[in-house]
Amino acid sequence: EDQVTQSPEALRLQEGESSSLNCSYTVSGLRGLFWYRQDPGKGPEFLFTLYSAGEEKEKERLKATLTKKESFLHITAPKPEDSATYLCAGADSNYQLIWGAGTKLIIKP
Amino acid sequence: KAGVTQTPRYLIKTRGQQVTLSCSPISGHRSVSWYQQTPGQGLQFLFEYFSETQRNKGNFPGRFSGRQFSNSRSEMNVSTLELGDSALYLCASSPTADHTQYFGPGTRLTVL
Repeated sequence: EDQVTQSPEALRLQEGESSSLNCSYTVSGLRGLFWYRQDPGKGPEFLFTLYSAGEEKEKERLKATLTKKESFLHITAPKPEDSATYLCAGADSNYQLIWGAGTKLIIKP
Repeated sequence: KAGVTQTPRYLIKTRGQQVTLSCSPISGHRSVSWYQQTPGQGLQFLFEYFSETQRNKGNFPGRFSGRQFSNSRSEMNVSTLELGDSALYLCASSPTADHTQYFGPGTRLTVL
């Protein structure tokens, strides 16, 4: 069965303290691995799509990487405004997204 | 380009009633997907429409239905509401060229 697992469930960091979020996946015929950011009460905001192992993408303080079994979202020198829930999802062969439960990131000033 | 819009943003209904939610996709996007999001279950896929046809369906009871119009706007309907239907309902549209889903702000449904 296709599955996406995110860890940790929650992560508290001090401002400027870099860390990584993990997304492990078993998705048959993976068509892409997606990262989204979601603020409370709002819809998810698209961040990155990764298509093949070894691929990396960056945006401001965020960098996403992909291996054959997992993806990492690296956050460098985070700021309080980076606080949000980060969701990852794998697209199966029908491009249907299999979602992880998310990692709630809290950055303390 | 304007983003995905959803109406209404908030709804309060009572058990047994029915509700219709509306979604307008990004201009040019022909695929619209609907999700239910609750704190305990996360994002759960409801269904996807493409060119007025339901292309995929999640594991929800028949009380949940949807449709898509020729202008790609979509509606979802929930009949005989239950307390457990209280959730944030999200709509996402995606272009044909790639399958990235762009989400609207959601409709917060509360069932009393």
